[in-house]
Amino acid sequence: DGGITQSPKYLFRKEGQNVTLSCEQNLNHDAMYWYRQDPGQGLRLIYYSQIVNDFQKGDIAEGYSVSREKKESFPLTVTSAQKNPTAFYLCASSMWTGNNQPQHFGDGTRLSIL
Amino acid sequence: AQKITQTQPGMFVQEKEAVTLDCTYDTSDQSYGLFWYKQPSSGEMIFLIYQGSYDEQNATEGRYSLNFQKARKSANLVISASQLGDSAMYFCAMREGQGAGFQKLVFGTGTRLLVSP
Repeated sequence: DGGITQSPKYLFRKEGQNVTLSCEQNLNHDAMYWYRQDPGQGLRLIYYSQIVNDFQKGDIAEGYSVSREKKESFPLTVTSAQKNPTAFYLCASSMWTGNNQPQHFGDGTRLSIL
Repeated sequence: AQKITQTQPGMFVQEKEAVTLDCTYDTSDQSYGLFWYKQPSSGEMIFLIYQGSYDEQNATEGRYSLNFQKARKSANLVISASQLGDSAMYFCAMREGQGAGFQKLVFGTGTRLLVSP
């Protein structure tokens, strides 16, 4: 079945540590996105990528980094510069063409501070 | 700046009844799209329905329909014949930006729906 796989489901970070969240899709989508969700809030865009080897900052990119070396993969690194990383992280992808194409989401990664 | 407002933090409905979840939006764009997503307690976001700003008909997908009132800038989700499995968070989102493929979504804060037997 086609879909988006995020791993791990739960992740714990120590102070000063960088951690990487994995996102893989087999939907053949060109565009991929990372969102952060805090309790009681909607999703906020961290980074997005429209094509391989290209990505753009979203609304809350500080303290995060991404790469897009393959069409299928869009990993997110939460760096030590992100002082409040505890949140639920969702990865999404969409078709490049067609404004009515929905974004498809993975199951999310819940990140907590040790 | 574009903004989505969902004023109902929580809604209760009895099984088999219909419920309307409110969404208003603010944009100066002429071309935009509105999406509704469902988020169960497990966390994944499930796409429900889409309405384009130029669509003349209100969108429908099974038990979901969208009451789109462009002049009032509202895009309310109507769920008919509620089921226990409909209990979840519901998010309204608007596509921001022009051009093919550019799909930055702005999300509202969500409405928690509880369906009782």
